[in-house]
Formats: sequence, structure tokens, C-alpha cells
Amino acid sequence: SAVISQKPSRDICQRGTSLTIQCQVDSQVTMMFWYRQQPGQSLTLIATANQGSEATYESGFVIDKFPISRPNLTFSTLTVSNMSPEDSSIYLCSVVGGRRNEQFFGPGTRLTVL
Amino acid sequence: GENVEQHPSTLSVQEGDSAVIKCTYSDSASNYFPWYKQELGKRPQLIIDIRSNVGEKKDQRIAVTLNKTAKHFSLHITETQPEDSAVYFCAAYSGYSTLTFGKGTMLLVSP
Repeated sequence: SAVISQKPSRDICQRGTSLTIQCQVDSQVTMMFWYRQQPGQSLTLIATANQGSEATYESGFVIDKFPISRPNLTFSTLTVSNMSPEDSSIYLCSVVGGRRNEQFFGPGTRLTVL
Repeated sequence: GENVEQHPSTLSVQEGDSAVIKCTYSDSASNYFPWYKQELGKRPQLIIDIRSNVGEKKDQRIAVTLNKTAKHFSLHITETQPEDSAVYFCAAYSGYSTLTFGKGTMLLVSP
């Protein structure tokens, strides 16, 4: 399976600021995704990170709030912009890879907005 | 789009008992059904999956069954152990977009 790392693992931020989360994979993958998981909830897809083009956002998520970059097949960033306490959540990077094209998750970034 | 319903939301069993978690899906084109285990504070881990060309798959104490006609699939855990305590998520993939997840089942195995 792909080895996925995320930075930072956690952060506490002030409202109105922005945070950029990095996701690094140890092998080239075709599909990379960003999810949000609020406490006690399921996994909500924010967007699909497309290499070399704009990300594909799910309903309820917009590029101005969650800009995403994917400069190559092993790296992506998610920025949470102009944060409010409602953005407090765990943000997870996910990739499709491996011999059987399975989907794996990174360790997550726990964000608290004060 | 796809809709995945998962039941129960919580499940308490005694160590050694079996546990069954059930999911239904809406899109008949869905052809891949993974199950994830998420321990407290950790990432979701893929524990088993099944594709639509088989009806059952087993890996040691866990098994998954799929009924394509009824559009439901289930996770079975036998001889449960305290370390099986976690939140379990089912998901479905139709090949057209991305995985759709169920809302999760919190499994508590009491010693």
C-alpha cells in the first residue's frame, strides 16, 4: 500500500487566518482526494486533486475557501482559508494506489480554530 | 448519485461473540465495496473489500457478503476481541465518481 504523510499533524489557529496542509505519497498515484471528518461523523469528500489542473470540488465546497494544488503525482496541498471555528475538523488526504487500486488514507491533520 | 445507508450506528457485544454490520446502496452500477476500521484518533484503515463479481470474501475472523440483487452488503466479525472496538465504515464505488461512505458503526467489544 502507499505510504502517505501529512503535515502538520495538528494545529490551533486563530479565526480569519489560513492554514495549508501538505500531503506526500511515497509513490506516484493517479487519484488524490481531500476529506473532512468532523467529530463523530463520517468522511466527507471536499475535492479531487487533479494533477496539472484545477481540483474538482464537491457540492458545498468552493475553491476560494479550500484552494488545492497538485503539482505532481506524489504531492498535494489543501488550504483552509479565512478560517472560522466551524472549520475545526480533521482533514485527511487519500489516494488510490497499490496493486488492486485500493483507497488509502493519510494520518490526518487535526485543526482547531479559536 | 450513490447513497449508502449503514446500520446499526452503535453495536455492543461481549468478547467472543459475533458482530454484523449491514449496508445498503442505491446505485446498481456500484461494483466495489470496501470496509474501513477507524480506531480513536487514527486514520481509517482498509480491512477488507469485495467486488461485484463475488458474493463472499473471508480473511481470518472477518468476512464480507454481497447481495447485488438486494443491493446490500455486510461485514461479519467472528470471535470478537476488545481490539476490534472501533468505528467501522462501509463504502460503495460505482466507477463514475468516488467512494460514497456510510455514516459509520461504533463497535464496542466488552471483555
